[in-house]
Amino acid sequence: AQKITQTQPGMFVQEKEAVTLDCTYDTSDPSYGLFWYKQPSSGEMIFLIYQGSYDQQNATEGRYSLNFQKARKSANLVISASQLGDSAMYFCAMREQDYGQNFVFGPGTRLSVLP
Amino acid sequence: DAMVIQNPRYQVTQFGKPVTLSCSQTLNHNVMYWYQQKSSQAPKLLFHYYDKDFNNEADTPDNFQSRRPNTSFCFLDIRSPGLGDAAMYLCATSRVPGQGPYNEQFFGPGTRLTVL
Repeated sequence: AQKITQTQPGMFVQEKEAVTLDCTYDTSDPSYGLFWYKQPSSGEMIFLIYQGSYDQQNATEGRYSLNFQKARKSANLVISASQLGDSAMYFCAMREQDYGQNFVFGPGTRLSVLP
Repeated sequence: DAMVIQNPRYQVTQFGKPVTLSCSQTLNHNVMYWYQQKSSQAPKLLFHYYDKDFNNEADTPDNFQSRRPNTSFCFLDIRSPGLGDAAMYLCATSRVPGQGPYNEQFFGPGTRLTVL
């Protein structure tokens, strides 16, 4: 079974609008971390935001926020006020306490910001 | 600035000709990873080192080998590249989680491998 599911292969958003990228995960480990990465066409993976399974509040980093719904096992990324430079692939990833060093990545969502 | 460096950024090799990709880090992280990423796909973990302990993923072909001579450097050796090995190869580092899985991976810029 897929540990990380990203159901939106591609998304379009108008510049300056907000967009939500979906991520659901599957784990029985009570301790885990959820990460979002951005990958522009140049190829580098850029860390955006982190949410821990025990964190009480949703994570925020500038224009990025994470809508964490633990019971539903979802960790959606919200980008506010989209910019043209936000056009990229976005990957959701998980690291489980019981699996130590391994990160599991979702299949990604390609976001295109329209002028 | 502390960072993860990969050389070369672009590598062209011939079918069957061994190739080595290198990764170095100034972050002093315990864990180093190698990923293979094909176009529009998620990165696929090949193996990782936790200090000197090597951990191979079960489905990583024998054609792929790795060396970590010290904390800072890690190499990916492809012994006999096939056309299917053309991909982006990403190196990443991470601190050990400690009490929880709190530490993100830091990625290098990647090496794009072309096999002719």
